[in-house]
Amino acid sequence: EDQVTQSPEALRLQEGESSSLNCSYTVSGLRGLFWYRQDPGKGPEFLFTLYSAGEEKEKERLKATLTKKESFLHITAPKPEDSATYLCAPRGATNKLIFGTGTLLAVQP
Amino acid sequence: DVKVTQSSRYLVKRTGEKVFLECVQDMDHENMFWYRQDPGLGLRLIYFSYDVKMKEKGDIPEGYSVSREKKERFSLILESASTNQTSMYLCASSLRLGRLSNYGYTFGSGTRLTVV
Repeated sequence: EDQVTQSPEALRLQEGESSSLNCSYTVSGLRGLFWYRQDPGKGPEFLFTLYSAGEEKEKERLKATLTKKESFLHITAPKPEDSATYLCAPRGATNKLIFGTGTLLAVQP
Repeated sequence: DVKVTQSSRYLVKRTGEKVFLECVQDMDHENMFWYRQDPGLGLRLIYFSYDVKMKEKGDIPEGYSVSREKKERFSLILESASTNQTSMYLCASSLRLGRLSNYGYTFGSGTRLTVV
């Protein structure tokens, strides 16, 4: 059975304090892994897609990486506006996305 | 800019009412999805549709039905609302299964439904 686990469930950082979010997955026939950001009361917004182990994508203070069993979202020198829930979603052989429960990030000034 | 629009941001309904949640996309996407999102449980798939008049059950279809009469519109129906259906409902769309898309799903802003 396809599974996705995100950790930690919640993370509180000081502004400028870098850290990483983890997404562990067991998915048959991986066909991409997607990262989304979700603000309170809104729908998820697309951040990155990764297709193969070793691939990296960057956007401002965020960098996503992928291995055969995990993906990491690295946040460098975060700002309060980076506070949100971050969701990872691998796509397996069924072509449907399998969502983790997310990491709630709070960045304090 | 591509969009998925959900007709209501907030709804309050009474137990036993029939509830319609509407979703419209303007991207000519073949696939449309309905999820509910609850704290600690993440996004759970209720139903999806891969073509007009076609539908498939997701992980938690009980108490729900769907309708897709036109490609751009996908409706979620709560046949007889119950308090345990209080949740955030999210609609999404994507290109058809089998076509790789760099963006995965595009989501609407969600409907916060409260059943009293």
